[in-house]
Amino acid sequence: AQKITQTQPGMFVQEKEAVTLDCTYDTSDPSYGLFWYKQPSSGEMIFLIYQGSYDQQNATEGRYSLNFQKARKSANLVISASQLGDSAMYFCAMRESGYGGATNKLIFGTGTLLAVQP
Amino acid sequence: GAVVSQHPSRVICKSGTSVKIECRSLDFQATTMFWYRQFPKQSLMLMATSNEGSKATYEQGVEKDKFLINHASLTLSTLTVTSAHPEDSSFYICSARRDPEADTQYFGPGTRLTVL
Repeated sequence: AQKITQTQPGMFVQEKEAVTLDCTYDTSDPSYGLFWYKQPSSGEMIFLIYQGSYDQQNATEGRYSLNFQKARKSANLVISASQLGDSAMYFCAMRESGYGGATNKLIFGTGTLLAVQP
Repeated sequence: GAVVSQHPSRVICKSGTSVKIECRSLDFQATTMFWYRQFPKQSLMLMATSNEGSKATYEQGVEKDKFLINHASLTLSTLTVTSAHPEDSSFYICSARRDPEADTQYFGPGTRLTVL
């Protein structure tokens, strides 16, 4: 069964420093996608970054980068130069691939609450 | 961009009444939309996959007669919570997958339902 694990319920980081949020996954499908979403206290889910299982390079989007280690089945999110506005819940998710093709269902981890301190 | 709206953002209703929540993709077409439920301090749980022009696919344990889903156009899906009870109080959030892009889901801002 496919599974996403986020082992850090909460993290603190000083403003302007980098922080890594951990995510490991388990799947037997060779084709899958990994996502990170940010959920501030307002509740909206904001898409941050995507990594495909066949992508050769780690995904980057501005201050966000995804440290994709396929053999270890990890997809950690790195936020550089943290800002106060980065304080939020962060969810790692995996796109499920059903038999015969992608079903596009997302499986979410339990989330990591990031608090950026001034 | 890929903007998804939800309406209402917050609703309070009496037990036994029905509540309709709308999910719209504002600047793209979405053959497939998804409805999630999130309890406080918990992760998102997929309730159902909404497909334009066909019946929704419900996840195990989700009552399809209680949570009615209608995806009548390529930009609109609705979730109706019928005969709501206090235990239905939750944060409901939809997402849309942009056609023909297959991977990324874009989320609406969510609807907080409180059933008294």
